[in-house]
Amino acid sequence: DAGITQSPRHKVTETGTPVTLRCHQTENHRYMYWYRQDPGHGLRLIHYSYGVKDTDKGEVSDGYSVSRSKTEDFLLTLESATSSQTSVYFCAINARDGPYEQYFGPGTRLTVT
Amino acid sequence: TQLLEQSPQFLSIQEGENLTVYCNSSSVFSSLQWYRQEPGEGPVLLVTVVTGGEVKKLKRLTFQFGDARKDSSLHITAAQPGDTGLYLCAGLTGNQFYFGTGTSLTVIP
Repeated sequence: DAGITQSPRHKVTETGTPVTLRCHQTENHRYMYWYRQDPGHGLRLIHYSYGVKDTDKGEVSDGYSVSRSKTEDFLLTLESATSSQTSVYFCAINARDGPYEQYFGPGTRLTVT
Repeated sequence: TQLLEQSPQFLSIQEGENLTVYCNSSSVFSSLQWYRQEPGEGPVLLVTVVTGGEVKKLKRLTFQFGDARKDSSLHITAAQPGDTGLYLCAGLTGNQFYFGTGTSLTVIP
């Protein structure tokens, strides 16, 4: 158990509403990641963080923002949700102090109607 | 951008058979990981390979990293129903991991 939780685990929301997903870790690791997983695309990186207030964009960052005000929490925000953002979202942390192996949370299934 | 191509996409075999899954790229990676994912759960790390030509064994699973660090393979000997799942490879370049699309394996008892 890598000590990662995600909340909520399931969410249904309407197009145009803001949504925030939370990732919480108890391991005190620097690196945290947000991915989305869609059929035919595998896992794609949205944003990642390498420390408090230090974040960077990933492959599919448009329409998403992130914040990390504490080591243990990494928030993903959809400012105005669209149907194309319906997906399963995974948070991950690194096993060591660097961008190495990752351990994943249980995921959040988001449906935008 | 899909940097990593996995093959086959789907594989259905009988218990006791052997199989190989491939992960190919034109890009060089500093390391490569293999994960297994079950429905409704996050991926679980199986192994990390770092050195070109490296071979790692995990019970009946054998992982190999290509000499040029562009490709990898996963070989399962005598597959069991418990091996059923989605197998994902992920390559690290810079601070980012790039995932393959996955191989969905079903082992029939």
